[in-house]
Amino acid sequence: AQTVTQSQPEMSVQEAETVTLSCTYDTSESNYYLFWYKQPPSRQMILVIRQEAYKQQNATENRFSVNFQKAAKSFSLKISDSQLGDTAMYFCASEPGTYKYIFGTGTRLKVLA
Amino acid sequence: ETGVTQSPTHLIKTRGQQVTLRCSSQSGHNTVSWYQQALGQGPQFIFQYYREEENGRGNFPPRFSGLQFPNYSSELNVNALELDDSALYLCASSWSPGSPLHFGNGTRLTVT
Repeated sequence: AQTVTQSQPEMSVQEAETVTLSCTYDTSESNYYLFWYKQPPSRQMILVIRQEAYKQQNATENRFSVNFQKAAKSFSLKISDSQLGDTAMYFCASEPGTYKYIFGTGTRLKVLA
Repeated sequence: ETGVTQSPTHLIKTRGQQVTLRCSSQSGHNTVSWYQQALGQGPQFIFQYYREEENGRGNFPPRFSGLQFPNYSSELNVNALELDDSALYLCASSWSPGSPLHFGNGTRLTVT
């Protein structure tokens, strides 16, 4: 079965500091996509970053970067220079070529002033 | 460009009733997916529509059904509502079945 596991239910970080959110996944597919989505209290899921499994280079988007370890099936998100607006639920998701996303249970991140 | 909009924002229904949730996809997106997000959980895939045809379905019973229209709008219908159907229902559109999803703000359904 395809699964995504986020083992950190809650995390907090001081403003301007760096935080890393963990995610592991399981898939038998050779080509797939991985995502991090942010869900603020407004409820809208916002795409943070996307990684294609066949690309070895880790994706980056401004202050957000990933550490993609394909052999270990690990896909962590690093947020640098954390801002108050980063406070949200963060969901890791995989898309194993079936067009349906498989989400983890989320990590609630709180950025402290 | 307009984003994905969902209506209504909140809805309260009684067990056994039927409900229709609506979604307006981002302009040009011919794929729409629906997800159910129970409290404290990640979203779960219900089904996807591509060019008005169902293009994949998750582990949801047939009382969950959908429609997609040529004007980029879509519906999620749930018959014979159960208490466990209480959740946030998210609509997401994309250019094609494999491209990144753009989500709406969801409809919070409460079944009493």
